[in-house]
Parts: sequence; structure tokens; C-alpha cells
Amino acid sequence: GAGVSQSPRYKVAKRGQDVALRCDPISGHVSLFWYQQALGQGPEFLTYFQNEAQLDKSGLPSDRFFAERPEGSVSTLKIQRTQQEDSAVYLCASSPGTANQPQHFGDGTRLSIL
Amino acid sequence: QKEVEQDPGPLSVPEGAIVSLNCTYSNSAFQYFMWYRQYSRKGPELLMYTYSSGNKEDGRFTAQVDKSSKYISLFIRDSQPSDSATYLCAMSEQGAQKLVFGQGTRLTINP
Repeated sequence: GAGVSQSPRYKVAKRGQDVALRCDPISGHVSLFWYQQALGQGPEFLTYFQNEAQLDKSGLPSDRFFAERPEGSVSTLKIQRTQQEDSAVYLCASSPGTANQPQHFGDGTRLSIL
Repeated sequence: QKEVEQDPGPLSVPEGAIVSLNCTYSNSAFQYFMWYRQYSRKGPELLMYTYSSGNKEDGRFTAQVDKSSKYISLFIRDSQPSDSATYLCAMSEQGAQKLVFGQGTRLTINP
């Protein structure tokens, strides 16, 4: 497809379970970002990849959050031992270059922790 | 205090009205300014992208940046019901990759 694709669109998990969220960026885009959007709030930065290198993970809220992009295309955000406060929409974005270029977002994964 | 402040609304206006949306910020290092539109259960869609101060126009949309006041605006002319959405401002520093977003303003255009 032409846009950023995320799967699953919805995920329900019990507290304590591990979850994995997938992002397919726009083909050829070098930069990939993960954001977390709580209800009624703007997205908040989690982490940034340039190709396969994770250059900034300053926004990850705890060591339960882990992201990877092993081949420089598809990325996975993993959350271990989920907690209720992890419930949010997780958005992935990509941009073609490495310096202040527009970011294009997917429709997100809505995660609910019971 | 958040780096970027945006009135969450909600804002309700009649069809055809001019809409003004605003954000203020505290970080003088911000150089790139964006407006995104987000429909319910969808991802943010880029509307306007500007660098430094000045105005930019694209169809019915005009973005203004006043760096001296740390204030940005988005104007929508001839508003349509299809413009009903949440509008997010976002900004970034030169050379930085992450975007810092406002809370978003929920806008409703009434037919």
C-alpha cells in the first residue's frame, strides 16, 4: 500500500500479558517513529529509528517497552507485562529522509489492557 | 507546564465560517511547525508544514508562525462539515527528529 500500515488495529490483552505491535512504513522511508496517544491528548514521542539503528528511545516510559527494526523496514513495538496505564493508541510514522522531513502516520493500534 | 499548549475546545462553528486555531509554545529552539488533522479512529494527516516564521497558504488553509511571540495559527476559510475533526499542532527543533504535539482542538462545523 501507499501509506503507513499498522497491525493489529485493535488489541485487547489481560494485565501481565506481552503484546507486539507491527508497523509497515512507506516503502523507501528511512526514518520510523513510534508515538503513544492517550485519550483526548496529542501523540507523545516514544522512539525513533534511522534505517535499522534506534537513535532515540528517550520517550519509552519503562524498560517494559522495547522496539526493533532489524532490516530497516518493518518495525515492532513490544510491551512486556502490560499494565492498565499502557492502554492507549500506538501510532507509527515514517519520513523519507533524516532531517526534519514531514512525518506520515498510520491509523494506529488501539491497545486496551483489562 | 507543557512545551506546547493548545486549547482542547470543543469549538463549534457554522458552515462557511472562518476558523482560527492556535498554539503557543515555550521552547525557542523550535524551527519546524506543522498542523495535522485527525478524524476519529484515524491517524494524524499532515495539513501544513512550515519552517521558521511567516505565512503559508494551501487552498482554504493558511498557517502563520510568529516566532517572536511563540505563537502559531491555522486558519480555515469557508469551513465545511467535512472539516470536523481534531486539529493537532506539532513542532520540532532543527536537526531533531521527534515531534512535540499540542493536546489537539476538537472542531465541529455545523451544516
